[in-house]
Amino acid sequence: DTGVSQDPRHKITKRGQNVTFRCDPISEHNRLYWYRQTLGQGPEFLTYFQNEAQLEKSRLLSDRFSAERPKGSFSTLEIQRTEQGDSAMYLCASSAGGARNEKLFFGSGTQLSVL
Amino acid sequence: QKEVEQNSGPLSVPEGAIASLNCTYSDRGSQSFFWYRQYSGKSPELIMSIYSNGDKEDGRFTAQLNKASQYVSLLIRDSQPSDSATYLCAPKGGSQGNLIFGKGTKLSVKP
Repeated sequence: DTGVSQDPRHKITKRGQNVTFRCDPISEHNRLYWYRQTLGQGPEFLTYFQNEAQLEKSRLLSDRFSAERPKGSFSTLEIQRTEQGDSAMYLCASSAGGARNEKLFFGSGTQLSVL
Repeated sequence: QKEVEQNSGPLSVPEGAIASLNCTYSDRGSQSFFWYRQYSGKSPELIMSIYSNGDKEDGRFTAQLNKASQYVSLLIRDSQPSDSATYLCAPKGGSQGNLIFGKGTKLSVKP
């Protein structure tokens, strides 16, 4: 069990550029979540997958955000045409899923700064 | 819109005291409730889960749930400086639902 891995740890980009983040969950976990967190706030839900199926996406999420989990293993989160308001810590988490088995294991996150 | 309310704090308690953290939630369909601890600059980690009304104890931590009042709390007995962190309340609605986190309560335990 190597834990949840996220790459990169930090990303600085200019407004209007596209960015992509990667998350590798714990290998036997079938659920994968993306959250966004800004200073002083709790993690804000973005989307989650069960295996390769994207089961839920936040209604607050702009169409500039898209996530994939093509083979039910790693996932990518892409933000197109970044804005300064996208600056945040992007957290990935995974879980084994199932009733009463929703312990989320979080990665260290990707800190995005949009200049 | 599902909402989770927590006092943002900071809540300051002396070492050895009991820290009481409270949370209310709006989604009556919530079935599972979780408390996560987040140290500054780190990711959240699960410390307690509770599914039924009443109390659940784990070491120095006690979670309390009252579904009728849509209220969940976390008590930390014999608080230690190492307990200083932000505590996030996260209800979950049903087996297919996702976790919705509150803003968290920042706890500071003074030596």
